[in-house]
Amino acid sequence: DGGITQSPKYLFRKEGQNVTLSCEQNLNHDAMYWYRQDPGQGLRLIYYSQIVNDFQKGDIAEGYSVSREKKESFPLTVTSAQKNPTAFYLCASSPQPTYEQYFGPGTRLTVT
Amino acid sequence: RKEVEQDPGPFNVPEGATVAFNCTYSNSASQSFFWYRQDCRKEPKLLMSVYSSGNEDGRFTAQLNRASQYISLLIRDSKLSDSATYLCVVTPFLRGSTLGRLYFGRGTQLTVWP
Repeated sequence: DGGITQSPKYLFRKEGQNVTLSCEQNLNHDAMYWYRQDPGQGLRLIYYSQIVNDFQKGDIAEGYSVSREKKESFPLTVTSAQKNPTAFYLCASSPQPTYEQYFGPGTRLTVT
Repeated sequence: RKEVEQDPGPFNVPEGATVAFNCTYSNSASQSFFWYRQDCRKEPKLLMSVYSSGNEDGRFTAQLNRASQYISLLIRDSKLSDSATYLCVVTPFLRGSTLGRLYFGRGTQLTVWP
């Protein structure tokens, strides 16, 4: 089955800890994206990558970091510098930039 | 000014009703347009792309008005299962552009009641 997987579905961390969210796709898509969604809010772009070993900041990159060492993987690290990390994190991919995007099931991160 | 604006709703309609959502975009150079559907606490899913000539998929019709810079989604014969948030998505970038990203609206909430 082709698709995008994110793990874990729920994640709990203490304040001050870094945490890495996983995103894997087997769709052979070039582009991958990370979004954050807060309750009642729209999607906000954190980082995106159009090709291996390259990525760009989105609208709210502060406090986050990413890597793209393999085409199928785009992990997101939420660092302790992120002021309000509790949110629903969504990973997406698309065949090429600006094409329609397909989303993983998301990870709900709670930091206390 | 936001790239994409949507009426957040909520729209509450009975089963069988016809409901329409509009979405305005600010960049007249926008190239591609989509509607996504997001169920509560789930990921967004592509509902349909929006083409210049308009397009239809079963009970769903999407239209683009470039002159007024808005796109619309019409749902006919609403079903209970249509209850969701509908996201309008646009991009000013050409398909495949190395600058490429999409801009998502905040969504319009629809509830269909029996």
